[in-house]
Amino acid sequence: SAVISQKPSRDICQRGTSLTIQCQVDSQVTMMFWYRQQPGQSLTLIATANQGSEATYESGFVIDKFPISRPNLTFSTLTVSNMSPEDSSIYLCSVSGSGTDTQYFGPGTRLTVL
Amino acid sequence: GENVEQHPSTLSVQEGDSAVIKCTYSDSASNYFPWYKQELGKRPQLIIDIRSNVGEKKDQRIAVTLNKTAKHFSLHITETQPEDSAVYFCAAWGYQKVTFGTGTKLQVIP
Repeated sequence: SAVISQKPSRDICQRGTSLTIQCQVDSQVTMMFWYRQQPGQSLTLIATANQGSEATYESGFVIDKFPISRPNLTFSTLTVSNMSPEDSSIYLCSVSGSGTDTQYFGPGTRLTVL
Repeated sequence: GENVEQHPSTLSVQEGDSAVIKCTYSDSASNYFPWYKQELGKRPQLIIDIRSNVGEKKDQRIAVTLNKTAKHFSLHITETQPEDSAVYFCAAWGYQKVTFGTGTKLQVIP
């Protein structure tokens, strides 16, 4: 199974600032995803991070607000830009070998925006 | 796009009883259906999955059934234990994209 780490594990930020979350995997993976999970809610897909090309964003999420990088097959970053209290959530990185392979999740980043 | 409905949203059972969680999906092209368990403050963990060419899969106390015609799949937990208490999510994979259900909070009462 893939071992995934995320940095930071949690942060408290001021509104209007930006935070970059890092996701590192211990092996090369085809697909990397970024999710948001509000307390007590399900997982909402923000975008699929594509190696060597722009990320594919889901409806309601835009690149200006959530820029994503994926420089190689083991690493990705998600930036939450110009934060507001509504961005307070847990952000999870996830990886998969293919469209129908086991999906593993990182430990998450708990973000609080004041 | 795919729509996954999950029921019930909460479920309380006595220790030793069985628990059943049901999901329906809308996209007939979906072909992979995993189930995740998420304990409080932790990441989702895969507990069992089923592919579209299989009708049932079992792993010890956990089983999943799939009815492709009706487009629904279910998670069955037998002989429940307090450590089964968690939130359970179903999911459906289409073409390189997964949609999650809304989650079921299972409470096993000792």
